[in-house]
Amino acid sequence: NAGVMQNPRHLVRRRGQEARLRCSPMKGHSHVYWYRQLPEEGLKFMVYLQKENIIDESGMPKERFSAEFPKEGPSILRIQQVVRGDSAAYFCASSPTENPYGYTFGSGTRLTVV
Amino acid sequence: GDSVTQMEGPVTLSEEAFLTINCTYTATGYPSLFWYVQYPGEGLQLLLKATKADDKGSNKGFEATYRKETTSFHLEKGSVQVSDSAVYFCALLNTGGFKTIFGAGTRLFVKA
Repeated sequence: NAGVMQNPRHLVRRRGQEARLRCSPMKGHSHVYWYRQLPEEGLKFMVYLQKENIIDESGMPKERFSAEFPKEGPSILRIQQVVRGDSAAYFCASSPTENPYGYTFGSGTRLTVV
Repeated sequence: GDSVTQMEGPVTLSEEAFLTINCTYTATGYPSLFWYVQYPGEGLQLLLKATKADDKGSNKGFEATYRKETTSFHLEKGSVQVSDSAVYFCALLNTGGFKTIFGAGTRLFVKA
């Protein structure tokens, strides 16, 4: 029973390029959450999605960032025109219900912008 | 708004020492409280949780008690091992919510 799968594990992008981060939730989980961890900080909520719906994106920057969770396939976090400040670890979590009493996290994608 | 404050690290202990990592929270309502652990290069793993006042969560020798009167959820372990070296995050989830609020994390080093 695979856990939450994120890829790639490490991603290096030059300033101005696009970054695409993928997350496949645990089998049977239809709720996906994205969090960002800046160096030496805790995780900050970005967005909550269910299949084909964005439920809450209040933690996501208004520009350059977008997320989707299509009917088929993984959830995608997309960052356009990356800047150095986007360098962080991005974690995806999933849960089977709307009220997640304990997430299952993926191993994260570490984005480095050079 | 809701928030979590945990003691700053790093915390350095010798093997078999007693561990306490302090965590206090501010929240409206009656949140659930969690401790997550992050080993080097990995994602967060749920370590333990408590969903109401006076509940004690425990796992792998770690424990924490939900103290409503002091709004605290301190993590303790009686005898740490080198393999416990990691970053520990205290977190809360408020009733009916889905955004988990994380503390900044406390890095623990255990020396042999």
